[in-house]
Amino acid sequence: KQEVTQIPAALSVPEGENLVLNCSFTDSAIYNLQWFRQDPGKGLTSLLLIQSSQREQTSGRLNASLDKSSGRSTLYIAASQPGDSATYLCAVVDGNEKLTFGTGTRLTIIP
Amino acid sequence: DAEITQSPRHKITETGRQVTLACHQTWNHNNMFWYRQDLGHGLRLIHYSYGVQDTNKGEVSDGYSVSRSNTEDLPLTLESAASSQTSVYFCASSDFAGTSGTYEQYFGPGTRLTVT
Repeated sequence: KQEVTQIPAALSVPEGENLVLNCSFTDSAIYNLQWFRQDPGKGLTSLLLIQSSQREQTSGRLNASLDKSSGRSTLYIAASQPGDSATYLCAVVDGNEKLTFGTGTRLTIIP
Repeated sequence: DAEITQSPRHKITETGRQVTLACHQTWNHNNMFWYRQDLGHGLRLIHYSYGVQDTNKGEVSDGYSVSRSNTEDLPLTLESAASSQTSVYFCASSDFAGTSGTYEQYFGPGTRLTVT
């Protein structure tokens, strides 16, 4: 059974800093990996999707990497802003398109 | 613009009652999913469907059912609501995106269900 872990569960950093969020998974037979953002009381917004054959994806200040063989992904946020405060979730997709989620990292950017 | 909607957004019901949560998507996606989100457990898959008349059980399907009579809708029914089913429920849909060569799931805004 696939298990996805995100450490730390919570992170606070001053505005302007670069930061890295971590995601690890136990079964490397994944189809792709998605990073989501969730604001309090809201739904999930897809940030980046990395196919299993890719190493990284970039969107603006966000860069996600994938090392499938070691079961790890990172989400890099450059020049953090207070508006980046949210919970970040990673999820891996198996061959049946089912998502297995991590429990998330709650990020707080301190102005 | 295409979207995925859920209704109601908030629901309070009593133990033992039947409850149906609606999910409607205008993406014309074949695949639809229901998840529940709870503190300490993250999001867990309840049921999913790959197309009309197709339904499958997920990780936490006991006490829930779905039916798929058309492409756009996948209603989730709690047959006899229990306090353990108090949660936030999310619906999602996906389809193969030829341009990106992969599947990407899009989520609805969620329904907060309280069972008293």
